[in-house]
Amino acid sequence: DSGVTQTPKHLITATGQRVTLRCSPRSGDLSVYWYQQSLDQGLQFLIQYYNGEERAKGNILERFSAQQFPDLHSELNLSSLELGDSALYFCASSAREGDSTDTQYFGPGTRLTVL
Amino acid sequence: QQQVKQSPQSLIVQKGGISIINCAYENTAFDYFPWYQQFPGKGPALLIAIRPDVSEKKEGRFTISFNKSAKQFSLHIMDSQPGDSATYFCAASKAAGSYQLTFGKGTKLSVIP
Repeated sequence: DSGVTQTPKHLITATGQRVTLRCSPRSGDLSVYWYQQSLDQGLQFLIQYYNGEERAKGNILERFSAQQFPDLHSELNLSSLELGDSALYFCASSAREGDSTDTQYFGPGTRLTVL
Repeated sequence: QQQVKQSPQSLIVQKGGISIINCAYENTAFDYFPWYQQFPGKGPALLIAIRPDVSEKKEGRFTISFNKSAKQFSLHIMDSQPGDSATYFCAASKAAGSYQLTFGKGTKLSVIP
């Protein structure tokens, strides 16, 4: 158990809908990363927050957004969902900023299925 | 553009054998190279990692070999066991800015008894 929790575990929804994925980092970790895992694209970085502030953006669609709250949990919002958004969504947390060797601990993921 | 190329896609090894997975990168700004192990239904978990200032790092049965001039690194699993059957991802992150991980496409390892 990495100490990172994600809810829900599974999510099934229809095209055009909006969903929210939730992540609670390990206790004390300030940094949260979101990744998308799909069969064709593999694991891809979406966005990073550190202590409530956005730090970096990767291949994140404009229909997707995220935020990190004062209690450090993070939410990833996906809107106008398309079939191609079906994937596993992972969040990872790390303790510090300023250290590339800081281990990222991954949660168990949320499997999103768009029908 | 795939910044970290991983091979092979799948690998079948006999129990007790050596599993070797290779990765190559282009971006010289990468300075940290972790390997993650993922079991079905689970998130990736850090297995072992290396910085470019060393050519090899060993932890138990797992060894990373790093060739900075060739921009290649590999994972060796000695005495492979059925419990090692999982998907392995190499990754890289940069020395500055965001430390997001850039992953290879993964290698599905099956260790057969």
